[in-house]
Amino acid sequence: QVTLRESGPALVKPTQTLTLTCTFSGFSLSTSGMCVSWIRQPPGKALEWLARIDWDDAKYYSTSLKTRLAISRDTSKNQVVLTMTNMDPVDTATYYCARLRRGAGGSYYYFDWWGQGTLVTVSS
Amino acid sequence: EIVLTQSPGTLSLSPGERATLSCRASQSVSSSYLGWYQQKPGQAPRLLFYGASSRATGIPDRFSGSGSGTDFTLTISRLEPEDFAVYYCQHYGNSLFTFGPGTKVDIK
Repeated sequence: QVTLRESGPALVKPTQTLTLTCTFSGFSLSTSGMCVSWIRQPPGKALEWLARIDWDDAKYYSTSLKTRLAISRDTSKNQVVLTMTNMDPVDTATYYCARLRRGAGGSYYYFDWWGQGTLVTVSS
Repeated sequence: EIVLTQSPGTLSLSPGERATLSCRASQSVSSSYLGWYQQKPGQAPRLLFYGASSRATGIPDRFSGSGSGTDFTLTISRLEPEDFAVYYCQHYGNSLFTFGPGTKVDIK
């Protein structure tokens, strides 16, 4: 059974750095084709992809947010960490981590398992 | 960067009716990289389709996905009470993922 769980602060102040941890089970991020992504959703709005880390430690970021994001992993702990710098009230959102499956040779990509999400509010 | 547009924004239907949801890409995309997700209030999204028409595990066959190029469709043949939700299309390209704005299917 695959599970993912997000953890981190519920409230951060403007200009602070947000650190979120995704703890997962049921798969290994060392297995070829396995990836983990972060996706966020402001209240009442659509989903926005943020970042991705792959089984080979390759990392990819949203074009609009890449200067503020960093993603890393600890395969021994089955964790993926996302940091986002210079937080602003517009960054208030539910942040999800999700398992991303990649087909052989990149033939497909899809998010097949999601965490429950964690609401982060940015306010002074 | 590909922009996805979904229509209609809201679809008001009754249980038992057919729902047809549209996802249009700003330029032609590979159907291999087009997915659909369902999200209910207070829940995480759930994968419905990948590769435009490949049904995810456990998804009932009243759901179907189709399309190619710039136009993709999610069809629910007969709406069940649990199908009233928001539906998102999603695309992968050039190492980036984009989601559409969503279509809300609510009870008429």
